[in-house]
Amino acid sequence: KNEVEQSPQNLTAQEGEFITINCSYSVGISALHWLQQHPGGGIVSLFMLSSGKKKHGRLIATINIQEKHSSLHITASHPRDSAVYICAVLIQGAQKLVFGQGTRLTINP
Amino acid sequence: DAGITQSPRHKVTETGTPVTLRCHQTENHRYMYWYRQDPGHGLRLIHYSYGVKDTDKGEVSDGYSVSRSKTEDFLLTLESATSSQTSVYFCAISELVAGRANEQFFGPGTRLTVL
Repeated sequence: KNEVEQSPQNLTAQEGEFITINCSYSVGISALHWLQQHPGGGIVSLFMLSSGKKKHGRLIATINIQEKHSSLHITASHPRDSAVYICAVLIQGAQKLVFGQGTRLTINP
Repeated sequence: DAGITQSPRHKVTETGTPVTLRCHQTENHRYMYWYRQDPGHGLRLIHYSYGVKDTDKGEVSDGYSVSRSKTEDFLLTLESATSSQTSVYFCAISELVAGRANEQFFGPGTRLTVL
């Protein structure tokens, strides 16, 4: 079993819909990252969080440390949000990330 | 954008040949990482460095070696490339903040094909 599990693996939605991507982990962590990878390969860091909630534009990330779960929400989704979203955790006591397999999001106009 | 580049961006080589990939940063970050990304596996850590001449293995280090002789450069070497090493390779950098690795900045990736 992977230490970091994402769901769903694939998600297709219509423009304007509210999107939720989930991440569960089974290890002790000191932080959790959400990354975005567009077709063509570039990987961009969206959020790093260790508690509570963070918001940037239409993106919101939450984490529940007790339940070992995080969610990434996208409000008013747009076709340009189409990408692979990757959850990664920073293992407690280490300085390296463990990654989920990613969620491929497609937003249709 | 963080100043991080990878070279080459694309490479095709033959089984058994040595290959070296270079990651170069201008951010003076302490930590540097090499990952490979394969369908069905996501990103996996090959090796990382926490300072000049300080490196450690990741989860898929077999068949790879690394060197870091100066802060800005982190080299990944495949001593004798195999077809199973066909992949997209990403370099990343980060810095310690309050004793913990901060967000990672990724390079553009290198697509390696081993025939």
